[in-house]
Amino acid sequence: GNSVTQMEGPVTLSEEAFLTINCTYTATGYPSLFWYVQYPGEGLQLLLKATKADDKGSNKGFEATYRKETTSFHLEKGSVQVSDSAVYFCALSGNTNAGKSTFGDGTTLTVKP
Amino acid sequence: DAGITQSPRHKVTETGTPVTLRCHQTENHRYMYWYRQDPGHGLRLIHYSYGVKDTDKGEVSDGYSVSRSKTEDFLLTLESATSSQTSVYFCAISESEALGDSPLHFGNGTRLTVT
Repeated sequence: GNSVTQMEGPVTLSEEAFLTINCTYTATGYPSLFWYVQYPGEGLQLLLKATKADDKGSNKGFEATYRKETTSFHLEKGSVQVSDSAVYFCALSGNTNAGKSTFGDGTTLTVKP
Repeated sequence: DAGITQSPRHKVTETGTPVTLRCHQTENHRYMYWYRQDPGHGLRLIHYSYGVKDTDKGEVSDGYSVSRSKTEDFLLTLESATSSQTSVYFCAISESEALGDSPLHFGNGTRLTVT
């Protein structure tokens, strides 16, 4: 079956530091890949997505590239802010499973001023 | 923001009692999902629906049932709550017609505590 493995947290960075959160996946076929962000007390929100190999998703300074050869979709940001503190989830969705998504365990990011 | 409302937002109940959580959407999307979120487990799919009266099980469906009598409402019922069902429950919707490349839109969750 499908699975997503995320870098374990928590991750603590200083403001303006470089961020990488690793994500690798196992899936049959050609899944779409997503990063979601969750702020305290809220549901998950889509951060970015990529639907085919070599696609790069980007939003709010975050980027991730769909690497089929390494089955990875690592999240990066060049300069984090305190407001980026949240839980980040990597997820995949296959095109033959009614849109059901498989999620990683989540990585908690804390950015200190 | 997608129009998804979950109710109640918080609930405390006793072991053995039935509990129903409600998800209401205003987007007219076909697909609706119930997930639970637990530390160390990410989000796990409980049940999903692909249309009115069309539902199917997810990976952690034991002890849960669902119903969808209208497009906009998706109910999750714990027939006899247990302490292992203490969790945060999220409803999600998808605009996808089963293609899988559309993201999920989530409600703000229901925090359920079973004592």
